[in-house]
Amino acid sequence: DQQVKQNSPSLSVQEGRISILNCDYTNSMFDYFLWYKKYPAEGPTFLISISSIKDKNEDGRFTVFLNKSAKHLSLHIVPSQPGDSAVYFCAASEANFGNEKLTFGTGTRLTIIP
Amino acid sequence: GAVVSQHPSWVICKSGTSVKIECRSLDFQATTMFWYRQFPKQSLMLMATSNEGSKATYEQGVEKDKFLINHASLTLSTLTVTSAHPEDSSFYICSALRGQQAFFGPGTRLTVL
Repeated sequence: DQQVKQNSPSLSVQEGRISILNCDYTNSMFDYFLWYKKYPAEGPTFLISISSIKDKNEDGRFTVFLNKSAKHLSLHIVPSQPGDSAVYFCAASEANFGNEKLTFGTGTRLTIIP
Repeated sequence: GAVVSQHPSWVICKSGTSVKIECRSLDFQATTMFWYRQFPKQSLMLMATSNEGSKATYEQGVEKDKFLINHASLTLSTLTVTSAHPEDSSFYICSALRGQQAFFGPGTRLTVL
């Protein structure tokens, strides 16, 4: 049972344009959401997060939007840069676990075309 | 940011042997570490939570006698895959908790022949 889903395994975006990565979840107990970026042969690195009490969180070129009613979140990267090419994982956690135990999506491979 | 290392980065072993994977937090102490497994084109699946000085907490469906976890110090957790079989071939990745943020190791690719 995949509780966190990233339905697009890959995405290609022109440099300078906006990249939008999507994530859906089924567990209504999730209340903290994170995005991780992963390069080949490296571990995931934390990118940005959002608590369920918010619907938007912005950090530089990265913005995460949360739609609780739709159980959907998205990561916007603008403008996209070649260094953004990586696999992006969406993750979620429940308050009961102290925001530490993460459930991951399957990832979306983002390729930025120069 | 905090650094977490894993050793080895890849290992090939024969069926029936045991393999130990180390996870170290290099510049911080971590009372809690996590072990994940990732099969091709699938998500990272949490296997267990490793707590320094106490027994690990395993997720449902993960055999604790097969995947032995030892968290003997604040900077080291080990995962031993005992009597490995080809179906155990996977990418194993650990994370260490600093505050409420998890920092991931680079992963270990295990191939069991």
